[in-house]
Amino acid sequence: EAKLVESGAGLVQPGGSLKLACEASGITVSSYWMNWVRQSPGKGLQWVATIRPDAREEYYADSVQGRFTMSRDNSKKSVFLEMKSLRSEDTGVYFCARGTGDVVGPLTHWGQGTLVTVSS
Amino acid sequence: SYVLTQPPSESVAPGQTATITCAGDNIEGYVVHWYQQKPAQAPQLVVSDDSDRPSGIPDRFSGSNSGNTATLTISSVQAGDEADYYCQVWDSNDEHSVFGPGTKLTVL
Repeated sequence: EAKLVESGAGLVQPGGSLKLACEASGITVSSYWMNWVRQSPGKGLQWVATIRPDAREEYYADSVQGRFTMSRDNSKKSVFLEMKSLRSEDTGVYFCARGTGDVVGPLTHWGQGTLVTVSS
Repeated sequence: SYVLTQPPSESVAPGQTATITCAGDNIEGYVVHWYQQKPAQAPQLVVSDDSDRPSGIPDRFSGSNSGNTATLTISSVQAGDEADYYCQVWDSNDEHSVFGPGTKLTVL
């Protein structure tokens, strides 16, 4: 069964840090663009970050640029999102999603999400 | 930055056709994808590359993209189609992915 499983959920104080992980099973990810998408409570989907298959470049939403870092380890079929200087508005469910071999391609596989809560 | 606009809600009776729009400046120059999200679930791709249907998606789901509007059409709507629907594009100018705000489809 093709699965993406996120981990790293937690409650963190404003200004704190957290690192999320996403591990694939039953599907390959090494040749595909990978993404993080978040959803604040009761709100819509918001793109967070995208990384190239070879990890040579990452792209970030303006709201997280300079605070979040996306990385990947293809040998472990995993991607990561390191989040620093967290704010209350970063609260939400974070989904890992696999794209295609083309950056403009769709997000074909999604994890179930992991909840990040930023609160004092 | 590129902006996508969707109606917040649409209502349709069972068996009828639902049309959900996604507006953006010259959106026909972008590749549009559509996702369905049911409560407490992850999104699921229902239409890719403007009008392609992924494996396992019923042919009741179709898409088009022209001018400033992309459209997701769901024919013979069923109760199980009630969900939030999001359009999405990759903006190569900004190197950002963009989601529309979502449309809540209610089956009456």
